[in-house]
Amino acid sequence: GESVGLHLPTLSVQEGDNSIINCAYSNSASDYFIWYKQESGKGPQFIIDIRSNMDKRQGQRVTVLLNKTVKHLSLQIAATQPGDSAVYFCAENKGSSGSARQLTFGSGTQLTVLP
Amino acid sequence: DVKVTQSSRYLVKRTGEKVFLECVQDMDHENMFWYRQDPGLGLRLIYFSYDVKMKEKGDIPEGYSVSREKKERFSLILESASTNQTSMYLCASSFQRTGYTFGSGTRLTVV
Repeated sequence: GESVGLHLPTLSVQEGDNSIINCAYSNSASDYFIWYKQESGKGPQFIIDIRSNMDKRQGQRVTVLLNKTVKHLSLQIAATQPGDSAVYFCAENKGSSGSARQLTFGSGTQLTVLP
Repeated sequence: DVKVTQSSRYLVKRTGEKVFLECVQDMDHENMFWYRQDPGLGLRLIYFSYDVKMKEKGDIPEGYSVSREKKERFSLILESASTNQTSMYLCASSFQRTGYTFGSGTRLTVV
């Protein structure tokens, strides 16, 4: 079946550097994408979303890029801080299908910020 | 802010017990979901509901049931708990086709 996946399961970055977390999706009908952050022992927390009519969206220290041509999503975190250490998930909504209100989640990338 | 509250953070139950996991949201969301999260398996959908008294099976409904008698509350029921149901359980809610708001999770251990 179709799924959302991540290129790398773990990522380590130096404090202060920028982080880039990648996600590949396979459903061309997906029109809404979200990034979540999950800290240890907690529920996932919404970071930023983007709709398929956009290529880029910026938030506070985060930017999401969407490349529909290659079905690729990325999350960029500027000036990574220790508090950014967490698992990051991408999720997609499969457009106007019957399960349109459901999200499909990637397996997650563990981001570790080194001092 | 939308808040999704799960009644317990940690729960230890015995094999064969009937277990109730409660989830309440305070923003009038029509959609509610129950997931379990296991290392290496990611988030797997157990049941979901798009309206009061409505429920649909997700990808792994076996051994579970749900109840949604009120819009704000979505309960997950383990009819007879087994050790393979030891997991982190996450409740989420959403409005129409938007992103989910998750609860803090319930870590259930079945012994």
